[in-house]
Amino acid sequence: GNSVTQMEGPVTLSEEAFLTINCTYTATGYPSLFWYVQYPGEGLQLLLKATKADDKGSNKGFEATYRKETTSFHLEKGSVQVSDSAVYFCALSDPYSSASKIIFGSGTRLSIRP
Amino acid sequence: EPEVTQTPSHQVTQMGQEVILRCVPISNHLYFYWYRQILGQKVEFLVSFYNNEISEKSEIFDDQFSVERPDGSNFTLKIRSTKLEDSAMYFCASSTGTSAGSYNEQFFGPGTRLTVL
Repeated sequence: GNSVTQMEGPVTLSEEAFLTINCTYTATGYPSLFWYVQYPGEGLQLLLKATKADDKGSNKGFEATYRKETTSFHLEKGSVQVSDSAVYFCALSDPYSSASKIIFGSGTRLSIRP
Repeated sequence: EPEVTQTPSHQVTQMGQEVILRCVPISNHLYFYWYRQILGQKVEFLVSFYNNEISEKSEIFDDQFSVERPDGSNFTLKIRSTKLEDSAMYFCASSTGTSAGSYNEQFFGPGTRLTVL
């Protein structure tokens, strides 16, 4: 079945450091890929998405590229801020199902030190 | 900007009691979902709902759970007899659900935290 594996946290970085959170997936067909973010005490927000191979999703300085050959969708940011502290979830869905569920990874907690 | 809303934000109940969690999806959306997140764990799919019936459900969604769209605007999740392990954050989501093969973003509500004592 479809699944998502992401690097375990917590990840602690200093402000302005470079961030990578690894994510790989297993899926039949060609899933859409997402990164969701959950800030403390809040719900899930879609951070970025990519719907086909080689697409790059980007938002708020974060980027991730859909790599079909390595089945990966790693999240990167060149210079993190304290306000980026949150839990990040890699996820996928089957685009060929109108009522498709989203399958989430286990989440990576990111803490940024001033 | 339209958004999914959920009430209450926090529900405390005694084991064995029935609870109803409420969601108001975005008004022109056709597909509705419930997910849950046990504290510190991953977000898990429970059920999807379209055209007044369940379209898919997970193994978590047993006979204790039911969903309903009672009045064309609300979408509810009922847990008939709560157990301690039902304590979790429950998220509602909705999407337009247009033609298969195109991307249908699911919009999530802020969640209801359920605590079973």
